Amino acid sequence: KAGVTQTPRYLIKTRGQQVTLSCSPISGHRSVSWYQQTPGQGLQFLFEYFSETQRNKGNFPGRFSGRQFSNSRSEMNVSTLELGDSALYLCASSLDGGKIPYEQYFGPGTRLTVT
Amino acid sequence: GESVGLHLPTLSVQEGDNSIINCAYSNSASDYFIWYKQESGKGPQFIIDIRSNMDKRQGQRVTVLLNKTVKHLSLQIAATQPGDSAVYFCAENESNYQLIWGAGTKLIIKP
Repeated sequence: KAGVTQTPRYLIKTRGQQVTLSCSPISGHRSVSWYQQTPGQGLQFLFEYFSETQRNKGNFPGRFSGRQFSNSRSEMNVSTLELGDSALYLCASSLDGGKIPYEQYFGPGTRLTVT
Repeated sequence: GESVGLHLPTLSVQEGDNSIINCAYSNSASDYFIWYKQESGKGPQFIIDIRSNMDKRQGQRVTVLLNKTVKHLSLQIAATQPGDSAVYFCAENESNYQLIWGAGTKLIIKP
């Protein structure tokens, strides 16, 4: 079974631009979560989608948004990029992210650099 | 706000020795904890989890201990191998759908 895939793997953008990142979950998984990872900050939860609905959202500004399609693929968008948005963005999928145990499977991430 | 943290950002261990990675949490209402391993260039990988009604859980070469009295979590890795080199994260369940993650501990294996 193929793992979680994220595209692109690397991205360089300029301040003020916007960016869209894509995540394809493991086949059959309906929950997709997004995280931002920066050095020394660990993983910061962005949001989680289940069956095309955003179920939970972390403490990020409205410039960060996401969506999920009927095939469970998900995209996240960051508008008006700032230097501080440079980070590794991770996507994780699970059968149903709302249930313990959280058997989340992570993709390799998209490394975003904002200059 | 309440958060999960780690005592040691970097831990160096001799190959073959046991490793102990510590984590402190502050939300006494958290009922579920997970340890993840992240190797360079990869996303985090689930290692082991534990519910708050347990104080110990064992996996293959790993043991997680939970001390609710002092709100402390630890991951023990037996007979550490070079492949164990990674950053280890603890995470707690604050509410449904959302995990709160610690900052991570880098484990270095000395040959």
